[in-house]
Parts: sequence; C-alpha cells; structure tokens
Amino acid sequence: DAGITQSPRHKVTETGTPVTLRCHQTENHRYMYWYRQDPGHGLRLIHYSYGVKDTDKGEVSDGYSVSRSKTEDFLLTLESATSSQTSVYFCAVQGLQETQYFGPGTRLLVL
Amino acid sequence: AQSVTQLGSHVSVSEGALVLLRCNYSSSVPPYLFWYVQYPNQGLQLLLKYTSAATLVKGINGFEAEFKKSETSFHLTKPSAHMSDAAEYFCAVNEAGANSKLTFGKGITLSVRP
Repeated sequence: DAGITQSPRHKVTETGTPVTLRCHQTENHRYMYWYRQDPGHGLRLIHYSYGVKDTDKGEVSDGYSVSRSKTEDFLLTLESATSSQTSVYFCAVQGLQETQYFGPGTRLLVL
Repeated sequence: AQSVTQLGSHVSVSEGALVLLRCNYSSSVPPYLFWYVQYPNQGLQLLLKYTSAATLVKGINGFEAEFKKSETSFHLTKPSAHMSDAAEYFCAVNEAGANSKLTFGKGITLSVRP
C-alpha cells in the first residue's frame, strides 16, 4: 500500500458533462500516472506527471487533461465526457526501481 | 520501443496443478519486468519484479518468474494452484533508464477448478 486514494470511487455522468477524478498520495512520490482499464486492452496510460506542474501525454490522452498543483494530488479531467470514456481509471505512483503502485480505482459510467 | 505479449486471455487449471502464465517482451535496452495481480473489483498489486539482479525472482503467494534474455521471456509460475489464485495477471516492462513508463500486456485471467 503506497498511501494512494482515489475519489470518487464510482461515478455516473451524462455525455457532454465535465468530470474530474482525484488521486491523492501521502508518500511524496515524484512520478504519478493515470491509466484506464478496458477489457481486452489491459492498462493504457493516459497522462503522467514527473513533478509539480510537469505533465506529459500517454498513449490515449485525447479528451483528457491533467493538473498537478501540489505533490500529493494529481487530477484527471474529462473535458466533455463521452460513452467511450466509460472505463475503470487507476492512479499509480512510482517508487524505487521503477516500480509502480496502484490506487483502488474509479469506475466511471458515461450515459 | 517496448512491448509485452501475453498469449491467450484465459488459463484454467485444477487446484494443486502447476500454474504457468507466459510473458514475452521486446525492449531495446535491459528492461525492468513486473508481474501484477488484480483480484475482482480491486486495484493492481505487485506480485514480483526483475530489476537486473537474480534472474529467478520470487514473489508473494508462492509465485516466481525467471528472466530469460535469450528468449525475451519472463514467465510466471507457481507449483501448486490454490483457489485463491483466481485473478487477472498482468505482465509489464519498463526500459531501465528510460522515461519511467510501464507498458502492460493485455492480461490473463486465471481460473482454478476445484
């Protein structure tokens, strides 16, 4: 357990609305990540952060933005939610030897 | 570029039987390799990792994996399956010294029959 919490844990929203997911860590890790998990695709990286205000895109970043204004929080925003963004979202932090530790996940349903 | 292949999406074994989950990777530099396990409705938990020390790596719950550079493989094994091993298993690779991004395989669901 790397002290990672995600909120909300479950969310139902409507197409076209903005949604923000929060990842909070308590162990001062520099690197933080957002993934989505979909059947048959494994985990795919959306965005990651290598420090406060330092972020970069992953392989499936379209339609998502992120912000990191302090070390412990990494926010993922769906600017205008679509049904294709229905998924389970995981936050992760990086510890020693490139090892990533994952939060409990957020289930998002876009109607 | 790094990539991971996990052949097949589902493996079924009897309780007490050998578990073998295959993982092959491609990487242009010596990699770090990981196996994660995900139980239903939970996050991913680190099972074990290879970081260029011993090629045979032991993890939690009796699992182990062997790094074979010549075969670019990192297969996961357990001598005797238990019902509680039923879960989804993910192999992942990170090129050491690269940009700290993991690449995951698509995952394998392990079922254990009584």
